[in-house]
Amino acid sequence: AQSVTQLGSHVSVSEGALVLLRCNYSSSVPPYLFWYVQYPNQGLQLLLKYTTGATLVKGINGFEAEFKKSETSFHLTKPSAHMSDAAEYFCAVSDHYNTDKLIFGTGTRLQVFP
Amino acid sequence: DTEVTQTPKHLVMGMTNKKSLKCEQHMGHRAMYWYKQKAKKPPELMFVYSYEKLSINESVPSRFSPECPNSSLLNLHLHALQPEDSALYLCASTQRTWQGELFFGEGSRLTVL
Repeated sequence: AQSVTQLGSHVSVSEGALVLLRCNYSSSVPPYLFWYVQYPNQGLQLLLKYTTGATLVKGINGFEAEFKKSETSFHLTKPSAHMSDAAEYFCAVSDHYNTDKLIFGTGTRLQVFP
Repeated sequence: DTEVTQTPKHLVMGMTNKKSLKCEQHMGHRAMYWYKQKAKKPPELMFVYSYEKLSINESVPSRFSPECPNSSLLNLHLHALQPEDSALYLCASTQRTWQGELFFGEGSRLTVL
C-alpha cells in the first residue's frame, strides 16, 4: 500500500532563507505525488504534482519539488522564504488501487521569522 | 470559476440536533469528497461521490449521512453527533482523480456541545 512520511512536524526559517520540507514515499508502483498547502482557517490548495515525465516539478508561489526514485523522496523547496509562506504543508500520494483516494502525510508546519 | 463553496462556515450544535453541511461546485467536476480534519492533523477521507454515486465510504459512523442531489451539490447530514466529532469538515471536488488535483472549499467548522 502507498504511504508518505513527512520528516519534521515543524520547520522554522528566516525570511529570505531556503525552505526545505521533506517527504518520503512508499509505493510498489510508480507513484503520483502531490504537495498541498493549507493557510490558517482555510482549505487545502494544490502547490504542485508529479505524475510522469520531468522529475523536477515547478509549482505556484515559487515552490518546486524533485522526484527522486532512488531515494523514494519528493522534497519541497523554495529558494527564498517569504512571510506569507507560513502555513501547513501536506505531502500526498494517490492510491494506485483506488485512484479516488489521496493518502496524506501528517503535515509540516512552516514558520517564517522576520 | 474555480471555487468550491461550503456553508455554513461555522456551526454549533447539540448532541440531539439535526443539521446539514452543504457544498457546491460549478466546475463540472465529476467527483466530490467529504474530509474531516482535526486540529494539527491531516484531512481524513470520509466519503467520495463519483458521478453522483457513493463510491467510497471510509467506515464512517451512520450519524454522518452524505447526499449528492446532483453533480454540483454535496450535503452532509448530521444527527446525534458526539463532542469528538467537532472538527473542520472539508469538501473537495475533482475532474481527474488519478492526477489527484483536488479543489477544496474553506471548510465548515463544527462544534458539538
